[in-house]
Amino acid sequence: GENVEQHPSTLSVQEGDSAVIKCTYSDSASNYFPWYKQELGKGPQLIIDIRSNVGEKKDQRIAVTLNKTAKHFSLHITETQPEDSAVYFCAARVPTNDYKLSFGAGTTVTVRA
Amino acid sequence: NAGVMQNPRHLVRRRGQEARLRCSPMKGHSHVYWYRQLPEEGLKFMVYLQKENIIDESGMPKERFSAEFPKEGPSILRIQQVVRGDSAAYFCASSRDRNNSPLHFGNGTRLTVT
Repeated sequence: GENVEQHPSTLSVQEGDSAVIKCTYSDSASNYFPWYKQELGKGPQLIIDIRSNVGEKKDQRIAVTLNKTAKHFSLHITETQPEDSAVYFCAARVPTNDYKLSFGAGTTVTVRA
Repeated sequence: NAGVMQNPRHLVRRRGQEARLRCSPMKGHSHVYWYRQLPEEGLKFMVYLQKENIIDESGMPKERFSAEFPKEGPSILRIQQVVRGDSAAYFCASSRDRNNSPLHFGNGTRLTVT
């Protein structure tokens, strides 16, 4: 099955700086890559997603890039704010199991005021 | 527009008891998924259901675990004869269709087995 690895496991940034989280996937057929944000005591919330026919997608301070050749994708958060502190998960999905997401282990982001 | 509703939020069971976790999908969503999250780990797929049908239960242990999504009412994840290793957060997600709409997660049920 699909295997997703995520780095780093923890990330501390100064408010206003950028945060970058990287994920790699094993199955070159994967075609959908969502990112989820999980706050303490809550469920994961979708913040941005990208499909394999697109190399980059941006939504205000959040952007995701995809390198299909290298099989990795990244989340970029610019101008970080304290409310960006949370656990972030990347995920991937292959067409043959088009309902099943394989998640990375998560990155705990702390934004220092 | 209510999101995915899960209850209870916290559940404590002694070893050997049964745990029942409920999930009401978002309005208009007929696809339900259950995921399990262990501490400091990502979510692991357990089962995918549509109304009255189990589509894929490959991520669910064959023994003691079962899931259903009846025609009326919430989806139920049932764990019989719980053991300490079942302690985890269980998340339900729903989607409008199978592969073209995003998954929306509930806030989970945190199961503790004592």
